[in-house]
Amino acid sequence: SQKIEQNSEALNIQEGKTATLTCNYTNYSPAYLQWYRQDPGRGPVFLLLIRENEKEKRKERLKVTFDTTLKQSLFHITASQPADSATYLCALEGGSQGNLIFGKGTKLSVKP
Amino acid sequence: GAGVSQSPRYKVTKRGQDVALRCDPISGHVSLYWYRQALGQGPEFLTYFNYEAQQDKSGLPNDRFSAERPEGSISTLTIQRTEQRDSAMYRCASSLVSRGFGGSPLHFGNGTRLTVT
Repeated sequence: SQKIEQNSEALNIQEGKTATLTCNYTNYSPAYLQWYRQDPGRGPVFLLLIRENEKEKRKERLKVTFDTTLKQSLFHITASQPADSATYLCALEGGSQGNLIFGKGTKLSVKP
Repeated sequence: GAGVSQSPRYKVTKRGQDVALRCDPISGHVSLYWYRQALGQGPEFLTYFNYEAQQDKSGLPNDRFSAERPEGSISTLTIQRTEQRDSAMYRCASSLVSRGFGGSPLHFGNGTRLTVT
């Protein structure tokens, strides 16, 4: 069956370090993958999209990689700050109908 | 402009009652999605529309759930004969272009918290 897994439910790191979040998927062949940030009580907010023919995408302190052979995307936040604390969700297009399927998310906590 | 607007923000209803949840997408957005999100989980796909056409309703849990978007703008998600297991956060999202055109980002509303007592 199709599955999206984000490596851990929670990740705690020290301010200034690089946070690395993992998204693995099985039985999908997505044309692209998206990452979202969700703060408590709010809806997810789009961060980055990476297409299957792109190895890496950057936006300010964010970097996403996409390995279609490993069926994995890595999401990096460099020079992390306490304000980066949130839940991060990966999402990909599932099935022929084109609906967007989300992982469970990883809750990142950046300690000062 | 305004973002995606959902109403009501909170809805408490008794088991067996029908509820209607409303979503007002960003003006001009072609696609509209409904998701359900349990605490500590990612959004669970329910259904989506391109304009007024319902493209995929494979995520609707059962036939008590239905959705419509009659004029290609505002959408209503209706749950008939509500049950306690229907309690959740229901989120609506819209995107500028329809699926399949390069992965248009979704813009989410703040959701409707439904509690069935």
